[in-house]
Amino acid sequence: DIQMTQSPSSLSAFVGDRVTITCRASQSISNYLNWYQQKPGKAPEPLIYAASTLRSGVPSRFSGGGSGTDFTLTISSLQPEDFATYYCQQSYNTLSFTFGPGTKVD
Amino acid sequence: DVQVVESGGGLVQPGGSRRLSCSGSGFTVSSDYMGWVRQAPGKGLEWVSSIYSGDDTYYADSVKGRFTISRDSSKNTLSLQMHSLRAEDTAVYYCARLSVYYFDDSESYYFDFWGQGTLVTVSS
Repeated sequence: DIQMTQSPSSLSAFVGDRVTITCRASQSISNYLNWYQQKPGKAPEPLIYAASTLRSGVPSRFSGGGSGTDFTLTISSLQPEDFATYYCQQSYNTLSFTFGPGTKVD
Repeated sequence: DVQVVESGGGLVQPGGSRRLSCSGSGFTVSSDYMGWVRQAPGKGLEWVSSIYSGDDTYYADSVKGRFTISRDSSKNTLSLQMHSLRAEDTAVYYCARLSVYYFDDSESYYFDFWGQGTLVTVSS
């Protein structure tokens, strides 16, 4: 199975800060990497798919990058509603998806 | 608007069984690609199972042989039948639709619409 790691596991930031979260795959997954945001008590919501494609309706302050094994999620100017936990997910192996452990932004 | 709704969660004794159901509006649950993702209390997301066309189904190793994903076309619902439940199966179970995208001429997916989740607690 493809293992996913994220760093940091948590970070503290202020409104207006630029925030970058890193996701790493245990093998090359090309650009088959998706990002989700989850707020407490809520279901995850998709932000980005194919490593860098913003899902419709997601604010442009979110961006994704990377390919192969190393990926990033960047929030250019953190807003109050962005305090949440962020998960990456590989979809290279569509028979067995795996999520990263999450990064909590508070 | 697309909506996904799960039901069927509750308290189950270890070794017991439970059936979760998922219905949707704004899309066809019984024909779209679908999946189940779970989240143990205070933990991260874990993919559980996916269903594609026909009987093309896949499972995480942790549930293989114990869980079965299926559709009911007549009711437009998705189900997850769970047997031999263990304490470590305690989690909120989310039903989610898989949306197709293409990159480098290859097909892949991401979970685009999620239900609110249903809690399964395995305890005596």
